[in-house]
Amino acid sequence: AQTVTQSQPEMSVQEAETVTLSCTYDTSENNYYLFWYKQPPSRQMILVIRQEAYKQQNATENRFSVNFQKAAKSFSLKISDSQLGDTAMYFCAFMMQGGSEKLVFGKGTKLTVNP
Amino acid sequence: NAGVMQNPRHLVRRRGQEARLRCSPMKGHSHVYWYRQLPEEGLKFMVYLQKENIIDESGMPKERFSAEFPKEGPSILRIQQVVRGDSAAYFCASSPLVRTDTQYFGPGTRLTVL
Repeated sequence: AQTVTQSQPEMSVQEAETVTLSCTYDTSENNYYLFWYKQPPSRQMILVIRQEAYKQQNATENRFSVNFQKAAKSFSLKISDSQLGDTAMYFCAFMMQGGSEKLVFGKGTKLTVNP
Repeated sequence: NAGVMQNPRHLVRRRGQEARLRCSPMKGHSHVYWYRQLPEEGLKFMVYLQKENIIDESGMPKERFSAEFPKEGPSILRIQQVVRGDSAAYFCASSPLVRTDTQYFGPGTRLTVL
């Protein structure tokens, strides 16, 4: 079974600075997807970024980018120019390609952006 | 284009009662997923449905829980004879037929069992 580990329960960063959230996963599959979801205090789950395992190029979405290291099974999220609105729980998630498309989530990292 | 809708947003039940949670997927989406989030935890997969079919229910407790996605109307997650341990946030997500690798989540239903 696949597992996702987020080793940082909490992190904080100053506004306008850069922060990196860690995620590792365990799978024997070769084809899969990885995601970062954001959950602000409203509890809405918001998709931040996705990565296909077959792509070597790291995904980017505006201030958000990932460092995907397939051999190391690592998928970290970098947030540049942090904003107060980035304060939220961040969940890393794994989905096997061609399976039942269920997401396997890590336990999350609580990020606080300080003014 | 409206997002995934869930209702009610908050539901309070006494032990032994039934809870019904509803999910309307995004327009054009034919795949629905239910997840449960316990306090201080990540989301855990419960069940994956397509119209009139349960595709994967490997995360559903064997007793008291059931789910359906009828041809017409919303998907329903039903919990019979609720217990305090069922208190959690229940999230529904949907994805389109042609791209099932990205799921869009609803706002969740927070169930409190007294």
